[in-house]
Amino acid sequence: GQNIDQPTEMTATEGAIVQINCTYQTSGFNGLFWYQQHAGEAPTFLSYNVLDGLEEKGRFSSFLSRSKGYSYLLLKELQMKDSASYLCAVRGDTGFQKLVFGTGTRLLVSP
Amino acid sequence: DAMVIQNPRYQVTQFGKPVTLSCSQTLNHNVMYWYQQKSSQAPKLLFHYYDKDFNNEADTPDNFQSRRPNTSFCFLDIRSPGLGDAAMYLCATSGGTGRYQPQHFGDGTRLSIL
Repeated sequence: GQNIDQPTEMTATEGAIVQINCTYQTSGFNGLFWYQQHAGEAPTFLSYNVLDGLEEKGRFSSFLSRSKGYSYLLLKELQMKDSASYLCAVRGDTGFQKLVFGTGTRLLVSP
Repeated sequence: DAMVIQNPRYQVTQFGKPVTLSCSQTLNHNVMYWYQQKSSQAPKLLFHYYDKDFNNEADTPDNFQSRRPNTSFCFLDIRSPGLGDAAMYLCATSGGTGRYQPQHFGDGTRLSIL
């Protein structure tokens, strides 16, 4: 089966750093994506990892360990606009381009 | 500029009355997807097209159909909507079969059933 686990909700304060974890069990592995989704809006692509290690993109970084089936998204210098859901999605071997999504982590950033 | 456009943003229909949601894209991507997303849940893939090849998910109800008349447009038809079909419907596209191909989402259509 395919399973992706993320915490349901997290809170943090403006200017802080937050780490959102994702663990996965999928049939095969061909990459992991992180998406941001504001309430009532479409998911927007944040990052992609296919090899182990850290990918940095401005205030956002994403880490992958394939042997542990584990990824995290790191958000630095949090801003109020970062309040959103963060979805972890894995491409397994169930067909090209198909993603399995986690239920998302709702992040609330407070002043 | 929006590259994956869904119309309408909000759709209200009556129980059992057929409804069609539309999606268009300016990216010239050959893969188009339809997802259903309910509140606080993961997007659930209903089906996808690779060019004209239609791929239905095993657990997608027969009530849901799709058409892709050309590269740019894709439609989701719900033949007899039930109350459980109230959800956000997301259209997405991706280009080709390369490993790094993120999916690009439209803003979604929120469907309500009366």
